[in-house]
Amino acid sequence: AQSVSQHNHHVILSEAASLELGCNYSYGGTVNLFWYVQYPGQHLQLLLKYFSGDPLVKGIKGFEAEFIKSKFSFNLRKPSVQWSDTAEYFCAVNARAAGNKLTFGGGTRVLVKP
Amino acid sequence: ETGVTQSPTHLIKTRGQQVTLRCSSQSGHNTVSWYQQALGQGPQFIFQYYREEENGRGNFPPRFSGLQFPNYSSELNVNALELDDSALYLCASSLALDPARGYTFGSGTRLTVV
Repeated sequence: AQSVSQHNHHVILSEAASLELGCNYSYGGTVNLFWYVQYPGQHLQLLLKYFSGDPLVKGIKGFEAEFIKSKFSFNLRKPSVQWSDTAEYFCAVNARAAGNKLTFGGGTRVLVKP
Repeated sequence: ETGVTQSPTHLIKTRGQQVTLRCSSQSGHNTVSWYQQALGQGPQFIFQYYREEENGRGNFPPRFSGLQFPNYSSELNVNALELDDSALYLCASSLALDPARGYTFGSGTRLTVV
């Protein structure tokens, strides 16, 4: 069975700082990879996804993620955060052989100080 | 295009009771998945319904059951509630079994068991 690890549970940074959130998964087969964001009191929203092709994926709100197959990683980055990026971020994996079930990491709570 | 609607938004139940949560899928989506998100954790897959049949189940006991109706809406039923069932229950809809089409999440039902 697949599993997903997000190494940082909490991140605090100032506006304009760069953000990188780590995500590693364990599954030997072909995967689809996702990053979701959950703003306070709101539903999960898709930031970006990787299915195939260019391993550097660009998403909404200036986020990007890089799939490194050899490291089983899919780290999320943003060069310059804003106060409005305060939210919880979830990495998720779909093993293509397992239908379209998503396996989520435990989440990283990001607080951006103005 | 309507999103995923879940009801109720909040409810409180007593240990041992039964509860039914409801989900209306996004227009055009025929697959519904249910997730449990305990406080401070990532969502955990409960089960998925496709064409009114269960199509995959996570590590949850049989007292968690579900239904999907011809209009693709869905119910999650939990019998013999336990304190640990307190969580946010998320419904996600998608088109068929193709994760490339994306998932749309509802805002969830916050269940508190006392």
